[in-house]
Amino acid sequence: AQSVTQLDSQVPVFEEAPVELRCNYSSSVSVYLFWYVQYPNQGLQLLLKYLSGSTLVKGINGFEAEFNKSQTSFHLRKPSVHISDTAEYFCAVSERNTDKLIFGTGTRLQVFP
Amino acid sequence: GAVVSQHPSRVICKSGTSVKIECRSLDFQATTMFWYRQFPKQSLMLMATSNEGSKATYEQGVEKDKFLINHASLTLSTLTVTSAHPEDSSFYICSASFTGAGIYGYTFGSGTRLTVV
Repeated sequence: AQSVTQLDSQVPVFEEAPVELRCNYSSSVSVYLFWYVQYPNQGLQLLLKYLSGSTLVKGINGFEAEFNKSQTSFHLRKPSVHISDTAEYFCAVSERNTDKLIFGTGTRLQVFP
Repeated sequence: GAVVSQHPSRVICKSGTSVKIECRSLDFQATTMFWYRQFPKQSLMLMATSNEGSKATYEQGVEKDKFLINHASLTLSTLTVTSAHPEDSSFYICSASFTGAGIYGYTFGSGTRLTVV
């Protein structure tokens, strides 16, 4: 069964600084990878996903992530964050032979002025 | 496209009563839906996988008699929390996977905040 690890529960950063949110996964088969954002008291919004092809994936709001198969990682990055990026970010993995989507524990990104 | 509608968005019920949450796929047929539970400031925990026309598959530790799932049609899955207790208070989210035209992904309902008093 797959599992997802987000090592950083909280990431504080100043506005306009770069940020990286880390995600590692474990699976015995090929996977699909996703990053979601959740604003307070709201549902989930897809930021980006990796299904196949180029390992560098660009998403909405200036975010991008890189799939590294050897390191089983899918870290999320943004070169310059805004106050409005303050939210909870979830990495998620689904195995190609099942349909279940498993979430990491989440990373709280707090952007300060 | 691929929109899932979840109702109600909020519900308050008395301890011991049952609550039904509906999840509808509006513009596609969802043969498989998923139900998640999210405690405050925590991640989404998969509770069960709902398959149209068959019994749901529950994750380890989830009481199937307490969380009844019905997926009677390709557009509707329901989660019933039976004999609810305060510890069942949580945010419940449904999801469906979709494929088509080379696209694969998941769409989520807006969630139901259940408070048991």
